[in-house]
Amino acid sequence: EVQLVESGGGLVQPGRSLKLSCLASGFTFSYSGMNWIRQAPGKGLEWVASISGSSSYIYYADTVKGRFTISRDNAKNTLYLQMTSLRSEDTALYYCARRGQLASDWYFDFWGPGTMVTVSS
Amino acid sequence: DIQMTQSPASLSASLGETVTIECRTSEDIFTYLAWYQQKPGNSPQLLISDASSLADGVPSRFSGSGSDTHFSLKINSLQSEDVASYFCQQYNNYPWTFGGGTKLDLK
Repeated sequence: EVQLVESGGGLVQPGRSLKLSCLASGFTFSYSGMNWIRQAPGKGLEWVASISGSSSYIYYADTVKGRFTISRDNAKNTLYLQMTSLRSEDTALYYCARRGQLASDWYFDFWGPGTMVTVSS
Repeated sequence: DIQMTQSPASLSASLGETVTIECRTSEDIFTYLAWYQQKPGNSPQLLISDASSLADGVPSRFSGSGSDTHFSLKINSLQSEDVASYFCQQYNNYPWTFGGGTKLDLK
């Protein structure tokens, strides 16, 4: 059974940093592209970042480019999101999600329960 | 970026009714469209990929159709467990973008 469990969220002041983790199980992690997607309270979904299985390809939304870094450790089956220079508009529930298994499948077939990040002074 | 316009934003329907949600894109995305269901308090779940392919375990009362810039999600014989928000997502072009969502509840 595919499982994704995020951690590392919390309350942080504007301008500070935070690192999220996502522990994966139930599938061959190193073969799968992984993603971070966020949802502000009461709002819709916003794709944040993607990374290929071997970390060869990395993409970011313009809203986080230069501030967030996605990475992975395939030996630990773990995905990360290092967030710096945080802003109030980064307040959201952050989901880890696996992408579909074919090269053209940039949809998200499994999602974790999410970890909440609140940026406030 | 490809803009996604979902309609309606909210919808009330009766048990057993047929419901249709629409998603329009600002550019031709062929059939690179997915639909997700998000029940209250839960994370999104994939319903449909490639505009019309049901994900594993999704009831057959859900169906998707469309291509190019106009897509639809249809729910036949609405059940109480279908109360949720529904989102479309295009994956033809980076950055991957989502529709604003449709909140479905019971009348």
